[in-house]
Amino acid sequence: DTEVTQTPKHLVMGMTNKKSLKCEQHMGHRAMYWYKQKAKKPPELMFVYSYEKLSINESVPSRFSPECPNSSLLNLHLHALQPEDSALYLCASSQEPRNYGYTFGSGTRLTVV
Amino acid sequence: ELKVEQNPLFLSMQEGKNYTIYCNYSTTSDRLYWYRQDPGKSLESLFVLLSNGAVKQEGRLMASLDTKARLSTLHITAAVHDLSATYFCAVEAQKLVFGQGTRLTINP
Repeated sequence: DTEVTQTPKHLVMGMTNKKSLKCEQHMGHRAMYWYKQKAKKPPELMFVYSYEKLSINESVPSRFSPECPNSSLLNLHLHALQPEDSALYLCASSQEPRNYGYTFGSGTRLTVV
Repeated sequence: ELKVEQNPLFLSMQEGKNYTIYCNYSTTSDRLYWYRQDPGKSLESLFVLLSNGAVKQEGRLMASLDTKARLSTLHITAAVHDLSATYFCAVEAQKLVFGQGTRLTINP
């Protein structure tokens, strides 16, 4: 298995909703990442987990809450989002060290209404 | 803070022509990546460049890295319509930072 699987592929949520994005990989990668990508912009790093511990938080608002329950799974919990949070959310994973690069999932297209 | 700049940001070219996309970065790094993204899709890894002078080729695409000049190039040879996409370079220095992307349109 050489893929990063993200679910759901599309999500529409209201500003008072609570939802979660899920990311899974079975490549034995020990680093996992969340990126946010607005239309016509490059991906921007949000969080990095290394060996199941949060190692980088790029000053992301607390309405985004990451969780890494085990080495294969990464979640992003969403609460009280704003319309400007609508974007493509990409999960990625990599080996440690990262000589073979990063594998990106297909993304979750999030719309906040 | 690491900055990654690509140029051009938009490129419209005819099939059969050659062109080069440039990626400059501001701090020392020996890991550079090129990705392709189709509209509404995720990132497809094209090349991983790990050392000065690295050159990799796949089909009509060739990427190179000059770490001393902090410059990578993505060269397109005899372009075909299927190569139309947005191309990102990304540089790693403690974290992966992307360039702005080059939106490439290849016209028949």
